[in-house]
Amino acid sequence: GAGVSQSPSNKVTEKGKDVELRCDPISGHTALYWYRQSLGQGLEFLIYFQGNSAPDKSGLPSDRFSAERTGGSVSTLTIQRTQQEDSAVYLCASSYSNTEAFFGQGTRLTVV
Amino acid sequence: KNQVEQSPQSLIILEGKNCTLQCNYTVSPFSNLRWYKQDTGRGPVSLTIMTFSENTKSNGRYTATLDADTKQSSLHITASQLSDSASYICVVSDLGGGADGLTFGKGTHLIIQP
Repeated sequence: GAGVSQSPSNKVTEKGKDVELRCDPISGHTALYWYRQSLGQGLEFLIYFQGNSAPDKSGLPSDRFSAERTGGSVSTLTIQRTQQEDSAVYLCASSYSNTEAFFGQGTRLTVV
Repeated sequence: KNQVEQSPQSLIILEGKNCTLQCNYTVSPFSNLRWYKQDTGRGPVSLTIMTFSENTKSNGRYTATLDADTKQSSLHITASQLSDSASYICVVSDLGGGADGLTFGKGTHLIIQP
């Protein structure tokens, strides 16, 4: 594709529900990053995929958060039993071999 | 572990004033440093890239500096405009596709007031 695509762009969900956020990276990009962003916290690292290596999950805040990357391309971030503090913008970025990061538009998640 | 620290976390200035945003990093070996601008509701886009041999680079009213010895970069905005209100993110790349990947700062949230 022309750029990194994230869906949905906005998601409102009830507390306790599960949500799935999707990221389509630029074709051929081996690295994929998930970050979340809130006004008070700035950009917070969640998870990093690089090729076929085991992902760096060190930023996932709890076991309610998980992510997978199928076939080295599309990635899905899943949040189970959402809480109000999960409300944030979730950004995905991809890159080829640690060159420039290309960001998606983000998914704004609101938990009510 | 590679780290990128940005300061201040947030900044409010009056339209027309200048400001400087800071980025300090511990990434090694260093390849390049990029500043991104993220407008409200949009994804970050690259403003400028600094490589090891570059000290200063300008892009309109934006001037980025790099001191590779002290591992510091700054982004100076001259004669700020309302459209400069955004988050500014510093991202550092190491050489050779290291296992840590790109290292992202938390960003500086800049608000320009009329």
